[in-house]
Amino acid sequence: DAEITQSPRHKITETGRQVTLACHQTWNHNNMFWYRQDLGHGLRLIHYSYGVQDTNKGEVSDGYSVSRSNTEDLPLTLESAASSQTSVYFCASSPDWGNEQFFGPGTRLTVL
Amino acid sequence: EDQVTQSPEALRLQEGESSSLNCSYTVSGLRGLFWYRQDPGKGPEFLFTLYSAGEEKEKERLKATLTKKESFLHITAPKPEDSATYLCAVQMDSSYKLIFGSGTRLLVRP
Repeated sequence: DAEITQSPRHKITETGRQVTLACHQTWNHNNMFWYRQDLGHGLRLIHYSYGVQDTNKGEVSDGYSVSRSNTEDLPLTLESAASSQTSVYFCASSPDWGNEQFFGPGTRLTVL
Repeated sequence: EDQVTQSPEALRLQEGESSSLNCSYTVSGLRGLFWYRQDPGKGPEFLFTLYSAGEEKEKERLKATLTKKESFLHITAPKPEDSATYLCAVQMDSSYKLIFGSGTRLLVRP
């Protein structure tokens, strides 16, 4: 069955380290998204991509970057992790605009 | 400013006690409104999409409705397995991105 996976599921890192969270989908969806979820803020969009080689900033993109070299993957990189980036991160994909987004299981990141 | 507000923040029901969750929005040019269910430790699971005022969608004990300013998720005779956080999100014509509300945590007691 087609699916969307994230790895690792849990990560503990130290302030200042570079961290990359992986997202892989097998639906062949053009659109992929990264969100963070924090208590009191709901889901907030970090970056999104409409297709290969396309990336766009969301509302909370500072300190994060993405690259899209193929349809299946959209890795999220924290260039220099900060304690404020401790959160649960969700990746999502959708086949087209106006269609629902399908979410991965999430990655819980703790920055000490 | 584009905004999505969900109420109440938390809701406790007895099994069989029907109720409604509210999602109000202030956006320019609504393309669609989405409802998701999220269980602890998991990603959001898609429930419904509504596109125009007056539209209704149903799935088991859940029914979603849409007006020009808000959406309701009606839960009829809920069961304990309906306990979850319910998220509302809107998609605008101008950007196609989703803006999420903070969610309603529903607990259904047996």
